[in-house]
Amino acid sequence: AQRVTQPEKLLSVFKGAPVELKCNYSYSGSPELFWYVQYSRQRLQLLLRHISRESIKGFTADLNKGETSFHLKKPFAQEEDSAMYYCALRARGSQGNLIFGKGTKLSVKP
Amino acid sequence: EAGVVQSPRYKIIEKKQPVAFWCNPISGHNTLYWYLQNLGQGPELLIRYENEEAVDDSQLPKDRFSAERLKGVDSTLKIQPAELGDSAVYLCASSLDPGGYNEQFFGPGTRLTVL
Repeated sequence: AQRVTQPEKLLSVFKGAPVELKCNYSYSGSPELFWYVQYSRQRLQLLLRHISRESIKGFTADLNKGETSFHLKKPFAQEEDSAMYYCALRARGSQGNLIFGKGTKLSVKP
Repeated sequence: EAGVVQSPRYKIIEKKQPVAFWCNPISGHNTLYWYLQNLGQGPELLIRYENEEAVDDSQLPKDRFSAERLKGVDSTLKIQPAELGDSAVYLCASSLDPGGYNEQFFGPGTRLTVL
């Protein structure tokens, strides 16, 4: 069965500190992994996807197939990074269905 | 561009009453999704449409939930009758096509409270 696990419900860091939001997945095939973000009073939006191998707003995420992980990292957190972050999986070649984790609330304190 | 539009934004009803949610996807997006998001959880897919065809409704509780997407544009999700456990946020999303690199764009959601 396909599953996404985000072990931390809440992650609190100080501004300027490094941040890592953990995501582990369970899938026997070759997955596509995504990070979605929801800022306060805004809609859910795509932050980045592993295929693009890009850095968005200073965030990066590397797919580690050996550890079945897709952790989201940022070297220096900013207050505006405070939001809910959801890791999501899509079976490669599937027709678009995303499987989301439960989410991690990131709080960046001044 | 307004993005994906949903209405109403909030709905409070008593149990056993019917309720309907409406979604207008981004113009030109062929694929439309309805997700259910319970408190403290991530979104879970209820149904996916490609144009007017429901291609994946395996997670839709068909005894009380129904959906339609007439003319392959707007979509309506209905619950009849609503139960206390249906209290949640109902999200609509759309994408150009279901697979490939096409991003899913989400609406603001409808927060349903069943009393």
